[in-house]
Amino acid sequence: DIVMTQSPDSLAVSLGERATINCKSSQSVLYSPNNKNYLGWYQQKPRQPPRLLIYWASTRESGVPDRFSGSGSGTDFTLTISSLQAEDVAVYYCQQYYSPPHTFGQGTKVEIK
Amino acid sequence: QVQLVQSGAEVKMPGVSLKVSCKPSGYTFTDSFIHWVRQAPGQGFEWMGWIDPKSGGTNYAQKFQGRVTMTRDTSISTVYMELSTLRSDDAAVYYCARGDSNGTRFWGQGSLVTVSS
Repeated sequence: DIVMTQSPDSLAVSLGERATINCKSSQSVLYSPNNKNYLGWYQQKPRQPPRLLIYWASTRESGVPDRFSGSGSGTDFTLTISSLQAEDVAVYYCQQYYSPPHTFGQGTKVEIK
Repeated sequence: QVQLVQSGAEVKMPGVSLKVSCKPSGYTFTDSFIHWVRQAPGQGFEWMGWIDPKSGGTNYAQKFQGRVTMTRDTSISTVYMELSTLRSDDAAVYYCARGDSNGTRFWGQGSLVTVSS
């Protein structure tokens, strides 16, 4: 199984400041034939299902504010919130869909400092 | 619009089986896989497997092999996830989600399962 490890487990950021979450996979999730990283980022707020923010590691889902961005390739990935807003308080997860089981990172809780 | 509507909350005794339903709408039922993911209280996500509604083919996470069965009924456009021999650590919110080539964009509302004697 591909193990997904996120860091940090939690972070507190001031409103308007940048938040950065890292995700590392135990093996590459880059599919060479199409040069796509099979990595997604999700946001989950209490008592809600997760919301897909980013797919293919760096493509923003429709309707997601442009302060959210994804980067990275192979085994190392980053989700950046460029200017944290109050509504961004949530837990963020990465997930690989390169090969089953489609494993998730353990989650990163983002709070306001 | 795409929706996935799941069955309601359940309370189960240890050792019995659980069956959760998921009814997608807003797209052609057989066009996309359905994934099942669970989330224990205060914990992260655990991917359980997927079913191809077109063929009925399945892929289960090894952890659940032998205990999980995913099926579909094309006549009513509904998929099911059955988990047998429930234990206390099976208590979780169970989600179905539509699988697309770029991840899982659409999720059900979740079905809360409590396991208690």
